[in-house]
Amino acid sequence: GAVVSQHPSWVICKSGTSVKIECRSLDFQATTMFWYRQFPKQSLMLMATSNEGSKATYEQGVEKDKFLINHASLTLSTLTVTSAHPEDSSFYICSVLTRGGETQYFGPGTRLLVL
Amino acid sequence: GNSVTQMEGPVTLSEEAFLTINCTYTATGYPSLFWYVQYPGEGLQLLLKATKADDKGSNKGFEATYRKETTSFHLEKGSVQVSDSAVYFCALSVTNGGYNKLIFGAGTRLAVHP
Repeated sequence: GAVVSQHPSWVICKSGTSVKIECRSLDFQATTMFWYRQFPKQSLMLMATSNEGSKATYEQGVEKDKFLINHASLTLSTLTVTSAHPEDSSFYICSVLTRGGETQYFGPGTRLLVL
Repeated sequence: GNSVTQMEGPVTLSEEAFLTINCTYTATGYPSLFWYVQYPGEGLQLLLKATKADDKGSNKGFEATYRKETTSFHLEKGSVQVSDSAVYFCALSVTNGGYNKLIFGAGTRLAVHP
């Protein structure tokens, strides 16, 4: 399988600040990456699909101006939570999809706590 | 539409017991099916998958068979260990806009005690 990293693994920030989370595909080029959020004891909710070189596709109900996604290269996608509020506190997980593949490989997740 | 339904947890078993976690799905077309496992504080790991009817996915003693007639993909293991304690997610893959998108079930928490 693919190796995916996320940075940071956890972050605490003050309300109103912005937080950037990185997702890296370490051993192959990922044309498509996905961003999920997971609330405690719940399933994963797809937030957006990130394609290298184009704008991200957001799921219904996800604010694109609040959750900025940049897929800068075939190995890096970033999620920026802008003007974070306590309700944005969650576990954010990225995944990558190989070109032509259908299996997603997940990163270890980033836990965000907004005070 | 596309959806995945898993049995509610938590499932609590003694070590070496037999495990079944039920999963059924609703889908248009012919999806691929997956089981992912999430250990505490970590992301998801692919456990096994099956891409067509009657395929059996297996890994680490776990197995699941793609049953089209019952639209099911139940996860089984003959003898669980304490280290299997985790949350298990059943998922199906649908094609949307040229790429594959995963639809997850709610997850089933498994607790195995010595």
